[in-house]
Amino acid sequence: AQKITQTQPGMFVQEKEAVTLDCTYDTSDPSYGLFWYKQPSSGEMIFLIYQGSYDQQNATEGRYSLNFQKARKSANLVISASQLGDSAMYFCAMREVLFGNEKLTFGTGTRLTIIP
Amino acid sequence: EPEVTQTPSHQVTQMGQEVILRCVPISNHLYFYWYRQILGQKVEFLVSFYNNEISEKSEIFDDQFSVERPDGSNFTLKIRSTKLEDSAMYFCASSESHNTEAFFGQGTRLTVV
Repeated sequence: AQKITQTQPGMFVQEKEAVTLDCTYDTSDPSYGLFWYKQPSSGEMIFLIYQGSYDQQNATEGRYSLNFQKARKSANLVISASQLGDSAMYFCAMREVLFGNEKLTFGTGTRLTIIP
Repeated sequence: EPEVTQTPSHQVTQMGQEVILRCVPISNHLYFYWYRQILGQKVEFLVSFYNNEISEKSEIFDDQFSVERPDGSNFTLKIRSTKLEDSAMYFCASSESHNTEAFFGQGTRLTVV
């Protein structure tokens, strides 16, 4: 089974609208972290937001928030008031802490295109 | 703002040649990683490095690959005899601890011809 699943290969969103990028995960580790990264066309990987499995509140960072639903094993990224510069690939990733893993396991990504 | 830096940004090499990809992690970080991304595919873990030794590696990281921290700042990935399928973007990353966010460099695009 895939550890990280991103079911939206591509999305088109009107500028200034909010957008939700889906991510579901699969783990039996009770302690894990969930991450979102942005990859613009230039290729670099930019860290956006982190959610720990024991965090009581959803993580927020500026226009980014993480809709964490633990029972459903989903960690959707919400971008409010989208901008043209948000056009990029977005990757969800997970680290399983108690299993001793240090690696991040990535999903296949969602290509977001913001339309002016 | 501190960042992970990688050199070169792009390297073209002939099949069978050795390449060394270089990285300078963020200075107070203790964990270092290499990932790769074949064009159009997802990012894959190669290796993690802590306390001057490999702490975890993937199946991809076979005997052709090695990592080294030759001094207090650099972290290198060596591919001994490159194959066409090694063509990819290689990312170095670092983190303060094993359960905090990893910050990535801008990547080295390796093209094997």
